[in-house]
Amino acid sequence: DTEVTQTPKHLVMGMTNKKSLKCEQHMGHRAMYWYKQKAKKPPELMFVYSYEKLSINESVPSRFSPECPNSSLLNLHLHALQPEDSALYLCASSHYRAGSYNSPLHFGNGTRLTVT
Amino acid sequence: AQKITQTQPGMFVQEKEAVTLDCTYDTSDQSYGLFWYKQPSSGEMIFLIYQGSYDEQNATEGRYSLNFQKARKSANLVISASQLGDSAMYFCAMREGNTGNQFYFGTGTSLTVIP
Repeated sequence: DTEVTQTPKHLVMGMTNKKSLKCEQHMGHRAMYWYKQKAKKPPELMFVYSYEKLSINESVPSRFSPECPNSSLLNLHLHALQPEDSALYLCASSHYRAGSYNSPLHFGNGTRLTVT
Repeated sequence: AQKITQTQPGMFVQEKEAVTLDCTYDTSDQSYGLFWYKQPSSGEMIFLIYQGSYDEQNATEGRYSLNFQKARKSANLVISASQLGDSAMYFCAMREGNTGNQFYFGTGTSLTVIP
């Protein structure tokens, strides 16, 4: 069983819809991540939150809006997406402290997003 | 320059045989971690094994072992006694001590186990 929970598993949305992806972890990790992944490609980093503050934004279009309400929750708000945004969206978490280069990413099962 | 290089887009292995998936990395940090992940067609990213830059022994986890050659900057994954369920994408990743939260992923290797 994964320790990072993502909902929903699948999402189909039109280009004018607003939807949100949710992620929850209870491992005490203080770094949380959103990745986008196309088929047979590596995950692409979108956002990183460290101690509930946005620390990395990889020049992601504003139609993707992240939110970290507390240390356990991470949301990704979606608005006016394009068909090319269809992908697997993965949430992950990790320890963030001095010397944490030995701490792996723990991934959720992902949300398969289709934009019609 | 690429931080992580995986040069084998696709690999085939006979069931019950061993297979080596290649990974080379590039860093000037002294402190770093190397990770391998498995991604089946269902999509979940499964953490397999970790090797730290200061570790003198090669990491092992069940049928997975990591052949760590620090001078060559390589961290190859060895899967012994391949099973049909090993068919998946495999990604090598690195986390550097100086860049904190950043993880660098290779382009992945698609492994197919043949019965």
